[in-house]
Amino acid sequence: AQSVTQPDIHITVSEGASLELRCNYSYGATPYLFWYVQSPGQGLQLLLKYFSGDTLVQGIKGFEAEFKRSQSSFNLRKPSVHWSDAAEYFCAVKETSNDMRFGAGTRLTVKP
Amino acid sequence: EAGVAQSPRYKIIEKRQSVAFWCNPISGHATLYWYQQILGQGPKLLIQFQNNGVVDDSQLPKDRFSAERLKGVDSTLKIQPAKLEDSAVYLCASSLSGQNSPLHFGNGTRLTVT
Repeated sequence: AQSVTQPDIHITVSEGASLELRCNYSYGATPYLFWYVQSPGQGLQLLLKYFSGDTLVQGIKGFEAEFKRSQSSFNLRKPSVHWSDAAEYFCAVKETSNDMRFGAGTRLTVKP
Repeated sequence: EAGVAQSPRYKIIEKRQSVAFWCNPISGHATLYWYQQILGQGPKLLIQFQNNGVVDDSQLPKDRFSAERLKGVDSTLKIQPAKLEDSAVYLCASSLSGQNSPLHFGNGTRLTVT
């Protein structure tokens, strides 16, 4: 069955430390991949997307993600986390023109 | 550009009552989505419109949920009658047509059913 898995429900990092949020997908072909961020009480904001080409994509707010076909992964990274990055992060997959499917999300807490 | 507009932001109703949510997508976006986001979970697609036609409503509980997108612009989502388990945030999103088009989300309507 098609699925998007975010193995980490909650991650805590210190401000200034590096961050990696994991995302794995299970689809027949290479889907279109997205990362969204959601602050409390807000809708989801697009951070970055991957369609094809260079497997390392850059997004807004200093985030980047790397597509690894062999591992069916699309992990989100940031070299130095800021307190304002505390939020919920969702990985999403779109295989056809329909139905963007989301993972369960990873909640990020940033320690001062 | 103006974003996706949703109203109301919050709604509290008793079970068995009815409720309606409204969404105005980004101008020019042909595709409109309604998602349900239960606390602690990712958004789940309820229904997808392409212009004023339904593309996918396979996960919409049709015995109590209905949605329409008259004239292919604004959309309303209705629940009648509401159950306790319908308590969630209802997110509207829109996009241009095409698989590589990202979704743009509104701020959502938080529904509490008591």
